[in-house]
Amino acid sequence: DSGVTQTPKHLITATGQRVTLRCSPRSGDLSVYWYQQSLDQGLQFLIQYYNGEERAKGNILERFSAQQFPDLHSELNLSSLELGDSALYFCASSVGPGQWGGVAKNIQYFGAGTRLSVL
Amino acid sequence: AQSVTQPDIHITVSEGASLELRCNYSYGATPYLFWYVQSPGQGLQLLLKYFSGDTLVQGIKGFEAEFKRSQSSYNLRKPSVHWSDAAEYFCAVWRTDKLIFGTGTRLQVFP
Repeated sequence: DSGVTQTPKHLITATGQRVTLRCSPRSGDLSVYWYQQSLDQGLQFLIQYYNGEERAKGNILERFSAQQFPDLHSELNLSSLELGDSALYFCASSVGPGQWGGVAKNIQYFGAGTRLSVL
Repeated sequence: AQSVTQPDIHITVSEGASLELRCNYSYGATPYLFWYVQSPGQGLQLLLKYFSGDTLVQGIKGFEAEFKRSQSSYNLRKPSVHWSDAAEYFCAVWRTDKLIFGTGTRLQVFP
């Protein structure tokens, strides 16, 4: 058990809908990362938050957004869903960002993922 | 751009045989490298990491990896594979707040 909790484990929805994925980081971790794993794109970094603020952005669509709350949990919101959004979405957490904490504090621990199926 | 290449999509070995999974990276400076394992229905579990120092790194579950700068490689090895090692293995390089992953190698283990 990595200590990172993701809910729900599975989500089935229809095209055009909106869903929210939730992530609770390991105790003491301030950074949260979201990744998407799909058959055609592999594992892709979406976005990172550190202590409530957006810190880095990757290949995240405009229809997707995220936030990190004061209690450090994070939510990834996916809207206007398309069939191609079906994927496994992972959350990871680490102690802090690389630039200030050094890479040792950026070892990322992953949750079990949320499998999203868009029908 | 930094990238990670795992040349083998699928590897099959017999239980008890040795294993080597290949990983090549493209990165100018000293890379920070990781191996993660994903078992069916599970998340990604960290096996090993390389930051600096000794180029042979021991990880969990009996795995080790060797960093070879001259070959831009960070191959994962295990002397004797167990059936429970069947999973997908990902090599990754850390680059400015994110991990860049390879495409993964699926390991199948025959009894």
